[in-house]
Amino acid sequence: AQTVTQSQPEMSVQEAETVTLSCTYDTSENNYYLFWYKQPPSRQMILVIRQEAYKQQNATENRFSVNFQKAAKSFSLKISDSQLGDTAMYFCAFMKRSYGNKLVFGAGTILRVKS
Amino acid sequence: EAQVTQNPRYLITVTGKKLTVTCSQNMNHEYMSWYRQDPGLGLRQIYYSMNVEVTDKGDVPEGYKVSRKEKRNFPLILESPSPNQTSLYFCASAVQGRSYGYTFGSGTRLTVV
Repeated sequence: AQTVTQSQPEMSVQEAETVTLSCTYDTSENNYYLFWYKQPPSRQMILVIRQEAYKQQNATENRFSVNFQKAAKSFSLKISDSQLGDTAMYFCAFMKRSYGNKLVFGAGTILRVKS
Repeated sequence: EAQVTQNPRYLITVTGKKLTVTCSQNMNHEYMSWYRQDPGLGLRQIYYSMNVEVTDKGDVPEGYKVSRKEKRNFPLILESPSPNQTSLYFCASAVQGRSYGYTFGSGTRLTVV
């Protein structure tokens, strides 16, 4: 079974600075997808970024980028120029490519952006 | 607007009183799923459905039931709720077999006393 580990329960960052959230996963699969979801206080789940395991190039979405290390099974999220609106819970998630759409989530990291 | 509609948003109930949380999507998605979110555990899958009349257990199905009689609807039923089912529940839908990720409902905060 796949597992996703987020080792940082809480983090804080000053506005305009850069922060990196860690995620590691365990799988025997070779083809899969990885995601970062953001959950602000409104509790809506918002897709931040998505990475396909067969692509070596790291995904980027504006101020959000990932460092995908397949051999190390690591998938960290970097947020540049942090904004107050980035304050949220962030979940790392894994999906096998071979079957269905099941997402396996990590426990989450609470990020607080301070002014 | 493409969305997953989940109701109610908040619910407080007593132990043993049957309840249903409704979920409806307007995107013609084949795949629908229910998750519960608990502190320190992230989101865990309760049940999922790959199409009409096709449902299966997720990782934490005990105490829950689902049905998928229509493509758009996927209700979650708690026949006899217990306090350990106090949680935040999410319904989600997706295009079957695609990696675009889920569209989530807005969540239901359930408290069982």
